[in-house]
Amino acid sequence: QVQLVEAGGGVVQPGRSLRLSCAASGFTFSTYGMHWVRQAPGKGLEWLAIIAYDGTKKYFADSVKGRFTISRDNSKNTLFLQMNSLRTEDTAVYYCAKGQQWGLDVWGQGTTVTVSS
Amino acid sequence: QSALTQPAAVSGSPGQSITISCTGTSSDVGSYNFVSWYQQHPGKAPKLIIYEGSKRSSGVSNRFSGSKSGNTASLTISGLQAEDEADYYCCSYAGSSTLVFGGGTKMTVL
Repeated sequence: QVQLVEAGGGVVQPGRSLRLSCAASGFTFSTYGMHWVRQAPGKGLEWLAIIAYDGTKKYFADSVKGRFTISRDNSKNTLFLQMNSLRTEDTAVYYCAKGQQWGLDVWGQGTTVTVSS
Repeated sequence: QSALTQPAAVSGSPGQSITISCTGTSSDVGSYNFVSWYQQHPGKAPKLIIYEGSKRSSGVSNRFSGSKSGNTASLTISGLQAEDEADYYCCSYAGSSTLVFGGGTKMTVL
């Protein structure tokens, strides 16, 4: 079945880096744009970034531009989010999602990132 | 990239209909037919229910419908059921290959 599984979350100190991954299965990963979305504790959803199907184009929300990078390895059906210079306000559950006509039709279960000293 | 505006909470009794509004601007909701709606139960990942403003995602009940007028999109749930109690989020394409979400609406079935 179509599935996305995130990994890589954890507790990290402010200013440090963390890389999240998202393993895709059940669909032709290399033909879809992919997104990252996060949700801070008790808060709403926040769109973070999109990467084109072939990895050539990447776009970010202003809140993470310059600190976060999105990438993908189509040979391994895996999406990544590199998060640098982490702040306490980056504490959230991070979801990867499959894009479909600017909707997000498949979501992972999320991975939790806690930024704390 | 300002968040879309949704009511914080709505409620209705079983069998009734409710509508959740999602107000944006002429730079997002008003300019594109790419509004989507998501249902999220506590502790779960969001689930796509409506895309491109009014198209139901596969397997979604026809009790859910979407529409748009000007800068405001709406989600209507008819024949409310207990399992519809959840948080609902709208999302719109905002140009330059970016998306913006609404703040979310907590829907309670009385």
